[in-house]
Amino acid sequence: EAGVVQSPRYKIIEKKQPVAFWCNPISGHNTLYWYRQNLGQGPELLIRYENEEAVDDSQLPKDRFSAERLKGVDSTLKIQPAELGDSAVYLCASSPSPGNEQFFGPGTRLTVL
Amino acid sequence: GQQLNQSPQSMFIQEGEDVSMNCTSSSIFNTWLWYKQDPGEGPVLLIALYKAGELTSNGRLTAQFGITRKDSFLNISASIPSDVGIYFCAGPKSGSARQLTFGSGTQLTVLP
Repeated sequence: EAGVVQSPRYKIIEKKQPVAFWCNPISGHNTLYWYRQNLGQGPELLIRYENEEAVDDSQLPKDRFSAERLKGVDSTLKIQPAELGDSAVYLCASSPSPGNEQFFGPGTRLTVL
Repeated sequence: GQQLNQSPQSMFIQEGEDVSMNCTSSSIFNTWLWYKQDPGEGPVLLIALYKAGELTSNGRLTAQFGITRKDSFLNISASIPSDVGIYFCAGPKSGSARQLTFGSGTQLTVLP
């Protein structure tokens, strides 16, 4: 069975440019998470989806970050405009339901110049 | 807010040695999770602990849920090169059982 798929794996952009990350969760997993992992730190939750509904987005910087999960499957995380401090690895995870084990994708490493 | 403090921050050991790392918090946790992250990959769950005092093994890995519920330990016996990676502890945030708080990780290097 395929794991969580993320693309792109790497992205280098200049500051003030927009960027988008895509995640395809494990088939049948209703819960989807986006995390940000800064260098030398553990992942920090940005947003959690239950099906297509964002149920926990308190940590998402809403002035520049947005996310969507149309049809409750794939999800996209967008940053517009990107800032230097946004350089990090963006991880997507999914679980069958809230509270179950989370399965992480390989992440997208973003570098903002 | 809740913070998980992991120590040591990094370790260099010889292949075959045993390893011990720990995670502490100023807050009580009802669940402790240990993850491993390989370079360029996402974290993978190794062991989950649900009860104070619980000792759980997964192959050469053993983890314990501290009696005070404010700490947890992970031990790796007879280390091998593929044990290299970053080990994270994690637990549910208070007030939101579905949101995890992660420690900052212990970077393990195994020397041949």
